[in-house]
Parts: sequence; C-alpha cells; structure tokens
Amino acid sequence: SYVVTQPPSVSVAPGKTARITCGGNNIGSKSVQWYQQKPGQAPVLVIYHDSDRPSGIPERFSGSNSGNTATLTISRVEAGDEADYYCQVWDSSSDVVFGGGTKLTVL
Amino acid sequence: QVTLKESGPALVKPTQTLTLTCTFSGFSLSTSGMRVSWIRQPPGKALEWLARIDWDDDKFYSTSLKTRLTISKDTSKNQVVLTMTNMDPVDTATYYCARILGDYAFDIWGQGTMVTVSS
Repeated sequence: SYVVTQPPSVSVAPGKTARITCGGNNIGSKSVQWYQQKPGQAPVLVIYHDSDRPSGIPERFSGSNSGNTATLTISRVEAGDEADYYCQVWDSSSDVVFGGGTKLTVL
Repeated sequence: QVTLKESGPALVKPTQTLTLTCTFSGFSLSTSGMRVSWIRQPPGKALEWLARIDWDDDKFYSTSLKTRLTISKDTSKNQVVLTMTNMDPVDTATYYCARILGDYAFDIWGQGTMVTVSS
C-alpha cells in the first residue's frame, strides 16, 4: 500500500516560515490534503487539492506538490498555529492514506 | 451550516460488534456528488481512514479492515452508520465522521466519539 512520510516535529520562531513535508513515491501525481489538529479537537482542513485553501483559512497557509514531496508552508507563524499537521493522499489506485503527523512547535 | 455528530457506545467488549451513527445537517446525501467517510485515531497516534459512502450508495472500505466494516446510510434521517465486527483493544480510538469535498478532501468533521475496547 502507498506510504507517506512526515517529519515527527518542526520548530519555528514566531513570525518566521514553517515548512512541513510529506514524502511519497511520485506524490506529485496525487491529490494531497493537509489538516491541522489541535489537542482535543477534530482535524481541520487547511489545504486541499495540493494548494487550494478552504474559505476561512488564512492566506498564510499554502501548499505545493511536485515529484516525491508535498509541502505545507505556513508564513508569519503565530502561536495559534501550534498543532499537529497531517497530510493525506488519495488516488484511484489506493486507499486514502494519512501521514504520521508533524507536531509544529512555535518557539 | 454543515455539521456532523457521531454517536455510539463509549465502551465495548472484545469480540463484540461496534455500531456508530453519524447524524448530519446542512447537506443531503441524496444530492449528487455528496460523500461521507469514517476516520479513526487511536490515542496519541495518526489518523486512519476506514470507509466511505456516496450519494449513489457506492461504498468503499480500507483494504486492511474491509472484512470487518459495513457502512450504510439512511437518507431520510440524514444518518450514516458504520459497523465494525470482532472488536479488539487495538481498535480503541476516537472515531470521526466527515463530509468529503471533491474526491477525498474531508472538509467538515464531527467532534468525534471515543470508543474503548476492554473486557
């Protein structure tokens, strides 16, 4: 089955840019979503179809996907962005797959 | 406003069958293109997709769990039901239902319901 890999943790200072990666074989050919999950809460969709933002998600959140890596970029990081972030992949030949999650720490 | 809410037992015994209900509002599963999925998350672990049901009653299951899962819908009640047979302590998790945007973007999630499997 298809496997996607995320770094367990990323740390960033407030106001800086955080980049969270999601690696997978030829992931650039698949549709990638990103979810933010704060403790005790349900996940929230922040990026879909690689780079689209749902309404209500700040423009500071952006996504890209090419080759073997998809990336969630959070610009001008705020304390409130501290959360777990999960990538999720689907294509017609595989199950829906979630990454193992990345804990974003705002220093 | 779209909302979803999961309900079901908080505790089940090993080997029992779990039945969870997702009650939603703000959309209809009889509308073309609408889909709902179940996803679970063991404590401190990652999300795991379980199953999906479409407006036309198409159903899809996780390859690793398909023999244990059944998903169904009651359009008149705005409900989606998931059953999982032969429960085991490793199935202890928070179970979420979510609406699907497009192909597989889970755009609206329920609050989740915690299920513990223990004798």
